[in-house]
Amino acid sequence: GQQLNQSPQSMFIQEGEDVSMNCTSSSIFNTWLWYKQDPGEGPVLLIALYKAGELTSNGRLTAQFGITRKDSFLNISASIPSDVGIYFCAGTQGAQKLVFGQGTRLTINP
Amino acid sequence: DVKVTQSSRYLVKRTGEKVFLECVQDMDHENMFWYRQDPGLGLRLIYFSYDVKMKEKGDIPEGYSVSREKKERFSLILESASTNQTSMYLCASSPTGPGRGYTFGSGTRLTVV
Repeated sequence: GQQLNQSPQSMFIQEGEDVSMNCTSSSIFNTWLWYKQDPGEGPVLLIALYKAGELTSNGRLTAQFGITRKDSFLNISASIPSDVGIYFCAGTQGAQKLVFGQGTRLTINP
Repeated sequence: DVKVTQSSRYLVKRTGEKVFLECVQDMDHENMFWYRQDPGLGLRLIYFSYDVKMKEKGDIPEGYSVSREKKERFSLILESASTNQTSMYLCASSPTGPGRGYTFGSGTRLTVV
């Protein structure tokens, strides 16, 4: 099945650094969502984007729905230890079913 | 607090056993999904259901079946467990409507020995 191209696959950063990750597709998506998965838990929705060009923030997190509707990015500012986990992008093309990226594993050195 | 509950966090089963993974949601969602998660492969859709007694194959249905007799419950069945089905299994639900995000359960880590 189709998957979104998410990069980077992993990141190793120092506490306090900013983080940026993105998701791209060869086809148009109507909705973009970003999830975070803590170790040993299921993914939890962080941000949902519904319009091309939309920029949405949730605390230190900022995400954007690309103008072409084929990409999205997620930024985390001033990272802290609890930001550790796997971040997934996901999108829909009109149907109920989400298509997921392969995830970005974030590791933070204190 | 609304949620999706998976009956077991950890399971160890023997090769050839029939395995049932149960998932219950309390949000009156129409749609329910089963995924497996393996390192480097992301989330892969096994089966999903848009309504009671309805099921559709996802991307990797081989070796699995599902049952949805009630709206709130979606069961994943491994007919004859094999070692390559050792994985983290995630259940999710969502309401009907485009772009509605999923609510995931905490996952069941299944080991087949």
